[in-house]
Amino acid sequence: EVQLVESGGGLVPPGGSLRLSCAASGFTFSSYTMTWVRQAPGRGLEWVSAIGSGGGTTYYADSVKGRFTISRDNSKNTLYLQMNSLRADDTAVYYCAKIGGSYRFDPWGQGTLVTVSS
Amino acid sequence: QSALTQPPSASGSPGQSVTISCTGTSSDIGGYNYVSWYQQHPGKAPKLMIYEVNKRPSGVPDRFSGSKSGNTASLTVSGLQAEDEADYYCISYAGSNNFVVFGGGTKLTVL
Repeated sequence: EVQLVESGGGLVPPGGSLRLSCAASGFTFSSYTMTWVRQAPGRGLEWVSAIGSGGGTTYYADSVKGRFTISRDNSKNTLYLQMNSLRADDTAVYYCAKIGGSYRFDPWGQGTLVTVSS
Repeated sequence: QSALTQPPSASGSPGQSVTISCTGTSSDIGGYNYVSWYQQHPGKAPKLMIYEVNKRPSGVPDRFSGSKSGNTASLTVSGLQAEDEADYYCISYAGSNNFVVFGGGTKLTVL
């Protein structure tokens, strides 16, 4: 069974940093592009970042460019999101997802909540 | 990275059909056949319902169908059931510069 499990969320003050992890299992992790998507409380989904299968190609939403860094460790089947200079509007549930053929996001993890507040 | 435009809400009675639109540009929906749709129930992770405009993953009921015309994609839910009440989001590939673009979501209510 394909499974994605996020971790690392929590409460962090404005300006702080946090690193999220997404542990993957049930598929050949190193063969797939992976992505992070977030959802602020009561709001819609917002794409955050994506990384190619080998880790050499990365994409970022304008809202996080220069502050967030996506990376992966294919030997550990794990995806990461390093978040720096956090702001209140970064407060959200952060989901990781596998991007399959035809740019389908499937499956999604259960999400991890990041709260930026003093 | 402009968002795709979805109506904020849609509704229908059990057994009826409802269609949700998703409007983009020639740089995303109009330029590629890589539109996908997701269902999200409250407190749950999104679930893939349609990919590549009109393909259904295994396990998704055939009551769900997708289409595209020009810069607008659509999701149709036929034979509405109570469990179809959820938020629905569209996503389109937008080329190597922007990668993907998301719709703002549509809350579907089954009356």
